[in-house]
Amino acid sequence: GENVEQHPSTLSVQEGDSAVIKCTYSDSASNYFPWYKQELGKGPQLIIDIRSNVGEKKDQRIAVTLNKTAKHFSLHITETQPEDSAVYFCAARGGEDSSYKLIFGSGTRLLVRP
Amino acid sequence: GAGVSQSPSNKVTEKGKDVELRCDPISGHTALYWYRQRLGQGLEFLIYFQGNSAPDKSGLPSDRFSAERTGESVSTLTIQRTQQEDSAVYLCASRAGVNYGYTFGSGTRLTVV
Repeated sequence: GENVEQHPSTLSVQEGDSAVIKCTYSDSASNYFPWYKQELGKGPQLIIDIRSNVGEKKDQRIAVTLNKTAKHFSLHITETQPEDSAVYFCAARGGEDSSYKLIFGSGTRLLVRP
Repeated sequence: GAGVSQSPSNKVTEKGKDVELRCDPISGHTALYWYRQRLGQGLEFLIYFQGNSAPDKSGLPSDRFSAERTGESVSTLTIQRTQQEDSAVYLCASRAGVNYGYTFGSGTRLTVV
């Protein structure tokens, strides 16, 4: 089955700097890669996603890149702000034979220092 | 409602007791998932419902865990004879279709003492 690895587990950056979180996946059949932000006591919230027919997607300060050949994808946050502090999860999703379920990475705790 | 609703938000139970957790998906969402999140860890898939099809139970960790869903409405996750290792946040998510994102509820924090 699918396995997703995420690095780093913790990341501390100065406000205004960029943050990059990287994930690798094992199943070449995976075709959908969302990123979630989870704040304390809340459920994960989708912040951006990318499908396997696209190499890069951007939404304001957030971007995601996908390298299908290498089976890795990354989240880039520019001009970080204290409110970006949270735990971020990547995920990969297979097809119908895997019930379209999301397999999650272990999470990255991002701290943005004011 | 506007989002996925889960109840209770917190549950403390004694070891050996049964618990029932509830998920109200977004109206019209055909797919529903249950995940478990242990403290400081990622989300583990438990079970998947799609319409009236047979559920995918491949993630349930033991036969103490079961879940039901009637049609495209409410789902309940039942844990029998709870153990301390069952302590976790149980999250529910729903989605409208294959090309739509997954919306998570806020979860039920279960503590087994």
